[in-house]
Amino acid sequence: AQSVTQLDSHVSVSEGTPVLLRCNYSSSYSPSLFWYVQHPNKGLQLLLKYTSAATLVKGINGFEAEFKKSETSFHLTKPSAHMSDAAEYFCVVSLWVGRRALTFGSGTRLQVQP
Amino acid sequence: GAGVSQSPSNKVTEKGKDVELRCDPISGHTALYWYRQSLGQGLEFLIYFQGNSAPDKSGLPSDRFSAERTGGSVSTLTIQRTQQEDSAVYLCASSQTVGINYGYTFGSGTRLTVV
Repeated sequence: AQSVTQLDSHVSVSEGTPVLLRCNYSSSYSPSLFWYVQHPNKGLQLLLKYTSAATLVKGINGFEAEFKKSETSFHLTKPSAHMSDAAEYFCVVSLWVGRRALTFGSGTRLQVQP
Repeated sequence: GAGVSQSPSNKVTEKGKDVELRCDPISGHTALYWYRQSLGQGLEFLIYFQGNSAPDKSGLPSDRFSAERTGGSVSTLTIQRTQQEDSAVYLCASSQTVGINYGYTFGSGTRLTVV
């Protein structure tokens, strides 16, 4: 079985300050992990993915995430928030065996204050 | 095409009517998924197609929902006798191959409103 928990439903930061969006996962096997972003009335865009290579993954728009197996975490970070980062962020886990579907977290809405 | 295309982008229908939602995946992508995103909730898996294998229908919420994929490409999600609780954004995604090493490309979704 696999599951993913996003620890914060809402995060608010000021423009120019760091962003931390937290994600913990549970998986019986070594999973692949993804972060997706969804801007209002838009589809889902892949930010970054972890697939058992480097544990620190760099994505688009300055985002990165670190896979920590001991903590079963895959937190998303960005050193300096921009107004355009305001969106909904989804942490996603996928197994490569068994049911071939993505399991989504419930999402974190990021607000960026000027 | 360059991305996953879904149509229509918006659909308003009366309760009890049937609707068809279309997904045109990226050319060459063998895996295709349908998800549902209800207001204020995360994504709910509906159905998965992989090549010529039998689809994984385990996420379909009722027998009013069905989907098919013709020729390993375009997929249609059909909802019969729509109910108000079917109102949601229906997202389609495709992937180059199964599982671990590839991200999934999502379409912009079809926003279904049942009145």
